[in-house]
Amino acid sequence: GQQVMQIPQYQHVQEGEDFTTYCNSSTTLSNIQWYKQRPGGHPVFLIQLVKSGEVKKQKRLTFQFGEAKKNSSLHITATQTTDVGTYFCAGTHNTNAGKSTFGDGTTLTVKP
Amino acid sequence: GAGVSQTPSNKVTEKGKYVELRCDPISGHTALYWYRQSLGQGPEFLIYFQGTGAADDSGLPNDRFFAVRPEGSVSTLKIQRTERGDSAVYLCASSLERGPLRRDEQFFGPGTRLTVL
Repeated sequence: GQQVMQIPQYQHVQEGEDFTTYCNSSTTLSNIQWYKQRPGGHPVFLIQLVKSGEVKKQKRLTFQFGEAKKNSSLHITATQTTDVGTYFCAGTHNTNAGKSTFGDGTTLTVKP
Repeated sequence: GAGVSQTPSNKVTEKGKYVELRCDPISGHTALYWYRQSLGQGPEFLIYFQGTGAADDSGLPNDRFFAVRPEGSVSTLKIQRTERGDSAVYLCASSLERGPLRRDEQFFGPGTRLTVL
């Protein structure tokens, strides 16, 4: 079936260091969404990427969608303690427009 | 405005019992999704409604699981003959869903933590 893999599973950084999480799909995606989930909370939407090679920025966060629309990345510059949480990618495949397949997330901890 | 709400927030039941989980989406959102999330994993898709109809129920694990959305707003996820493996957080989300391939952001509710003893 359609799978979305995310690496790494965990990332521990010192405050001020950069962080990147990667998302890979076994099949071509029509779009990809990124969500953040704080401990004990629910997923909160960050961004959606639709176009091949698309790059979007939100302050210290940079999101990329691969040329083949099978992979994506989220990069955080100069992490802060408020960045802690689990970051999920969620892909939608062309043949299944209503269904989002989530990766298992990357959990980020930041040491002050 | 009000976000997605889910009731109950916690449900403890015994193996073999029937449970119902309720989701109130954001007013005006035509798309509604159910997921379940186990510890350390991402949300697992269960079912997606567009209006009143289940547009995609391919994620329901077996016929013990059923969901309805009779008036295109509130949805109920029903689980018959619960098993210990059904224990998880059940998340509901809604979105505006403008067009068949347009996926607007999903707004998640706080979830229902189901524990089957």
